[in-house]
Amino acid sequence: EAQVTQNPRYLITVTGKKLTVTCSQNMNHEYMSWYRQDPGLGLRQIYYSMNVEVTDKGDVPEGYKVSRKEKRNFPLILESPSPNQTSLYFCASSGTAGGYGYTFGSGTRLTVV
Amino acid sequence: AQSVTQPDIHITVSEGASLELRCNYSYGATPYLFWYVQSPGQGLQLLLKYFSGDTLVQGIKGFEAEFKRSQSSFNLRKPSVHWSDAAEYFCAVGGYKLSFGAGTTVTVRA
Repeated sequence: EAQVTQNPRYLITVTGKKLTVTCSQNMNHEYMSWYRQDPGLGLRQIYYSMNVEVTDKGDVPEGYKVSRKEKRNFPLILESPSPNQTSLYFCASSGTAGGYGYTFGSGTRLTVV
Repeated sequence: AQSVTQPDIHITVSEGASLELRCNYSYGATPYLFWYVQSPGQGLQLLLKYFSGDTLVQGIKGFEAEFKRSQSSFNLRKPSVHWSDAAEYFCAVGGYKLSFGAGTTVTVRA
């Protein structure tokens, strides 16, 4: 089944403790992206990647890092999480320059205390 | 810069009635436009997309949307709403750099 898989689904952590949210897609897509969803704000793009080793900032990149060492994987790294990063995170992938839309993962609910 | 405005935060509609969700966008070129739906606790599912051709596009679940370049709008419609259509709906514009509106929550009353 074609899908984007994120792990974990739920995560509670403490301020300052580094964490990684993994994302993997099995559709051989070039484009991958991370979004955060907050009430009343919709989804905001954190980072995106056009291919292996090619990444760029989205609208809200502060406090986040990404890497794209393999085509299928696009992990999101929070080096020193803070409470304002408590949010619902989505990974997504697309096989074209977005022209066919992104396929989204099921989301990761992150709480930073 | 690209952006999307969804003027309606919340809409309540009776089952069987028609539904229209508004979307206005700002984009520097011919846009790629999308509507996504998010059911409670779920991820986002693509309903339909527009990037060229016929300005009236059909999607899944009986939804359609009309692209109006002169009004910078891409409104979503459904002729007869079912209780299962209760969800949050997002309009989006762009390509790999995709910008979303804040969403419209649809409540369906019996």
